[in-house]
Amino acid sequence: EDQVTQSPEALRLQEGESSSLNCSYTVSGLRGLFWYRQDPGKGPEFLFTLYSAGEEKEKERLKATLTKKESFLHITAPKPEDSATYLCAALSGGGADGLTFGKGTHLIIQP
Amino acid sequence: DSGVTQTPKHLITATGQRVTLRCSPRSGDLSVYWYQQSLDQGLQFLIQYYNGEERAKGNILERFSAQQFPDLHSELNLSSLELGDSALYFCASSVEASGRTGELFFGEGSRLTVL
Repeated sequence: EDQVTQSPEALRLQEGESSSLNCSYTVSGLRGLFWYRQDPGKGPEFLFTLYSAGEEKEKERLKATLTKKESFLHITAPKPEDSATYLCAALSGGGADGLTFGKGTHLIIQP
Repeated sequence: DSGVTQTPKHLITATGQRVTLRCSPRSGDLSVYWYQQSLDQGLQFLIQYYNGEERAKGNILERFSAQQFPDLHSELNLSSLELGDSALYFCASSVEASGRTGELFFGEGSRLTVL
């Protein structure tokens, strides 16, 4: 069974304090690893797609990286508006085309 | 605004009842996905339709069913409701069938409360 595990469950940082969120995955034949951001009361918003180990993607203060077993979302000098729940998802080659999501990391950036 | 519209936003009903959730995908998108989000389970994939045909099925209960109509809007029907069905139900759309880009556009969800 495909599994995606995110850690930590929650993270509180001071504005400007850089950190990383972890996503470890166990899927059969990874076809893609995805990061989403979800604000309270909203649907998830797509951030990045990573296809192969060693790949990196950047957007503003966020950088996503991928290894053969995990992905990291690095947040550099975060601002309060970066506060959200960050979701990691994997698409496997095992059959169903639905994404397998982790439970997310709830990130709070304090001014 | 993702361009995906879901109605109703909130729904309160009783156990044993049946409800229908509606989704209009983003203009031009042929794929519609349904997900259930609860506090303990996270986002769970239910079912996908592509251009009117069922394409993939996830953890969808037999009491639940869905369809996609010729105008591409989709409905998720939930019947014989139980307390445990209380959750946020999200619809997402994408232009492609395989989902390989992972770029799904989510609506704002329908919050179902079963009393």
